[in-house]
Amino acid sequence: DTGVSQNPRHKITKRGQNVTFRCDPISEHNRLYWYRQTLGQGPEFLTYFQNEAQLEKSRLLSDRFSAERPKGSFSTLEIQRTEQGDSAMYLCASSPMSGTGVANEQFFGPGTRLTVL
Amino acid sequence: AQSVAQPEDQVNVAEGNPLTVKCTYSVSGNPYLFWYVQYPNRGLQFLLKYITGDNLVKGSYGFEAEFNKSQTSFHLKKPSALVSDSALYFCAVRVYGGSQGNLIFGKGTKLSVKP
Repeated sequence: DTGVSQNPRHKITKRGQNVTFRCDPISEHNRLYWYRQTLGQGPEFLTYFQNEAQLEKSRLLSDRFSAERPKGSFSTLEIQRTEQGDSAMYLCASSPMSGTGVANEQFFGPGTRLTVL
Repeated sequence: AQSVAQPEDQVNVAEGNPLTVKCTYSVSGNPYLFWYVQYPNRGLQFLLKYITGDNLVKGSYGFEAEFNKSQTSFHLKKPSALVSDSALYFCAVRVYGGSQGNLIFGKGTKLSVKP
């Protein structure tokens, strides 16, 4: 399977702990996105990389959140000092770079479900 | 502010009947519009998109959607529903020339197809 993969699939942690999630995009895709989805809502954009450069961040990405994509391949999303409000599904997506301005669809991974106790 | 509305939390359809899942949007500029489907314990899967051109867009699994600029709508349709179409459907929008990262999603519509 050459789709987007995310690890772990589930994470249960105690409030105040740090957690890190990993996303492996489709290999030829140079754009990578992180979203957060809570129950009954659609995904909400967090941040976006083009290769290793983090080009955009949502105001939802507080200073407790940090994302990296060190070599333009996989990405990690770290949440420090977790809070119960951080409980959500964290989705990663990738897409090829558009050279003509035409919007390419994003391909989503299965997500990491975070539960903060 | 840019937004997407899916006015129905749930749509119930009998198998073999046509289905429509509604989506309206509010953006400043020309929109790119997308439909995704989410099955339990699986990621979002792309169904179709509207970029430009023909207002009727055909996508995966027999789904199609019609872009209506005057009504700012992009309703998802299928002529004959299958039980296996039961899932959560999301409409999303991006603005041409705008943010390259941010897809704005609706809150989703649960489609239930009964035999």
